[in-house]
Amino acid sequence: QKEVEQNSGPLSVPEGAIASLNCTYSDRGSQSFFWYRQYSGKSPELIMFIYSNGDKEDGRFTAQLNKASQYVSLLIRDSQPSDSATYLCAVLKGGGADKLIFGTGTRLQVFP
Amino acid sequence: GAVVSQHPSWVICKSGTSVKIECRSLDFQATTMFWYRQFPKQSLMLMATSNEGSKATYEQGVEKDKFLINHASLTLSTLTVTSAHPEDSSFYICSAPSLQSTDTQYFGPGTRLTVL
Repeated sequence: QKEVEQNSGPLSVPEGAIASLNCTYSDRGSQSFFWYRQYSGKSPELIMFIYSNGDKEDGRFTAQLNKASQYVSLLIRDSQPSDSATYLCAVLKGGGADKLIFGTGTRLQVFP
Repeated sequence: GAVVSQHPSWVICKSGTSVKIECRSLDFQATTMFWYRQFPKQSLMLMATSNEGSKATYEQGVEKDKFLINHASLTLSTLTVTSAHPEDSSFYICSAPSLQSTDTQYFGPGTRLTVL
């Protein structure tokens, strides 16, 4: 079992729709969760982080965390073609290891 | 947010040569930096943790004698790929923790290495 799992996609949504990206993790000791966006040929850029169960909203982005189910998601409202990228879920490994473990990413395509 | 730079942004070299990649924190000090490698269509894999003034900590399966890391100052870490081979061709990315929250890492723009 991979430590962080994501569906590789591509996830195709029309412009203006809500894109829902999902991620599961295996280490119950993990406390910090991150979503990064990576355009082709570029390095990842941080979109959001979430530490507590529930929802966290920032503009068009909402991160959702359910530690009991070991599940974290990212919702993108009013999706734009410029949102087309690979979205990486990352989990800070528990136990004081201080290491970010990345999923393989979900490729999102927003079509006009 | 914090700014991390890398140099060079891309490099092409012949098999057997060594390549040095620099990672700089531009507006903050970083006692710790991380080096990742990303092969095409794969995720980022942590290679090593660079610690200022001490030896780097390498992940399992990463050869420390092949990937030399030097973190000589609070703003600079270097990764040297020694005797590079075509299978070392990859996208190398460094990151540094945010001062506000060490959980959060800011990534450099990456260095694309192609070994012929």
